[in-house]
Amino acid sequence: QKEVEQDPGPLSVPEGAIVSLNCTYSNSAFQYFMWYRQYSRKGPELLMYTYSSGNKEDGRFTAQVDKSSKYISLFIRDSQPSDSATYLCAMSAPTDSWGKLQFGAGTQVVVTP
Amino acid sequence: DSGVTQTPKHLITATGQRVTLRCSPRSGDLSVYWYQQSLDQGLQFLIQYYNGEERAKGNILERFSAQQFPDLHSELNLSSLELGDSALYFCASSVAGESVEQFFGPGTRLTVL
Repeated sequence: QKEVEQDPGPLSVPEGAIVSLNCTYSNSAFQYFMWYRQYSRKGPELLMYTYSSGNKEDGRFTAQVDKSSKYISLFIRDSQPSDSATYLCAMSAPTDSWGKLQFGAGTQVVVTP
Repeated sequence: DSGVTQTPKHLITATGQRVTLRCSPRSGDLSVYWYQQSLDQGLQFLIQYYNGEERAKGNILERFSAQQFPDLHSELNLSSLELGDSALYFCASSVAGESVEQFFGPGTRLTVL
C-alpha cells in the first residue's frame, strides 16, 4: 500500500463549478502538505502548502488538512478551462529531510467551457 | 518559467547504455532535488544535494548516481539502462537545505529501447 493515495481521475467539471480534490495518507509523521499543478509536458508547479492541520486560502484555491483523519483536500472555486491540469498532492516528514517529498499519483482535471 | 533548466529535453538510448542528465538550479538556490516520474510509479524522490553535499536519499537504484558541482549545477548519471528506466526525470531546486517549496524544471524525457 502506498503512503499517499490519490484518485487519478479524470475529473471533468463544467466551467464555473467547484473542483474538489483529495488525498489520504498513512504516515502520521507527515507534517507538511502541498498541492502541485502539472500541465501536460511541463514540470510540477507549487500551488500552496500547509503546515500541520487547518485551512489555507489563496485566491480561488483552498487547502484543508485533517490530520485526525489523515485526509487533505484542495478546492478550486469558479473553475476555468485554464485550470485543466493534473493536480498532485505531496507530503513530507522530518525523518530525513523536509525536502524529501512523497507524491500522490495525481488527479487529472478537465474543465469544459 | 521556474528558472530551473534541464538538458537535454529528450534522450533516446539503448539498454545497457549510460546517460548523464544535467540540471542548473535557479539563481541563488543551494539545493537540488532529483525525481523520476513514470506512469506506474508516479513522481518519486530520488536524491537531494545541498551546497555540494548529499542531503537525503530516496529509493534510488545503485545504477544511478548524482553529484552537485561547485557552481551548484547537478548531474544525474544513469548506467546499465533497462527498459523500465524510461521515464521523465525532473530536477527541482530550493534556497534552503530542506524546503517543501521546490521549483521544478521542465524535465528530461528518457526513452530506453
